[in-house]
Amino acid sequence: KAGVTQTPRYLIKTRGQQVTLSCSPISGHRSVSWYQQTPGQGLQFLFEYFSETQRNKGNFPGRFSGRQFSNSRSEMNVSTLELGDSALYLCASSPEPQRGELFFGEGSRLTVL
Amino acid sequence: KNQVEQSPQSLIILEGKNCTLQCNYTVSPFSNLRWYKQDTGRGPVSLTIMTFSENTKSNGRYTATLDADTKQSSLHITASQLSDSASYICVVRRMDSNYQLIWGAGTKLIIKP
Repeated sequence: KAGVTQTPRYLIKTRGQQVTLSCSPISGHRSVSWYQQTPGQGLQFLFEYFSETQRNKGNFPGRFSGRQFSNSRSEMNVSTLELGDSALYLCASSPEPQRGELFFGEGSRLTVL
Repeated sequence: KNQVEQSPQSLIILEGKNCTLQCNYTVSPFSNLRWYKQDTGRGPVSLTIMTFSENTKSNGRYTATLDADTKQSSLHITASQLSDSASYICVVRRMDSNYQLIWGAGTKLIIKP
């Protein structure tokens, strides 16, 4: 069974640009959540999607958005990038929202110059 | 305030030695507690999950304990190996309407040969 796939693994952007990250969950998993991890910091929850609906959202500005497609794949978008957005963005999938074990992808490492 | 605090922040031990990582939480109401292992630049991988009624759970050389009365958990690693070098993250799930996850900042463990 394939794991959670995140693309791209690494990317470099400049301030003001926007970026879209993609996450394909484990087959059969319908819940996808996104986290931001900066050096020395714990995982910060961004949002959670289930059945194409955003169920929960963390305390991030509106520049951070996401969506989920009918095949459970999810994308997150960050607009007007700032230097502080440089981080490892992790996607996790679970069979159902809120209660199931989380299975993480390898992450997308974003560097903003 | 719902918080998860881990100690120490970082730890260096020699290969073959044992170590214990601590997790104290003030999360309420409590649903379950997980320990994750995160290799540098990769996604976290679940080691154990413990519910209120479980005191000890093992996964190979990893043994987690939970004292729900004092709201403390520990992760004991026996006969450490170089591959144990990673960050270990304690996560507590609340039993609220969102089953919110509260993440600790992690303990960075370095195993030296």
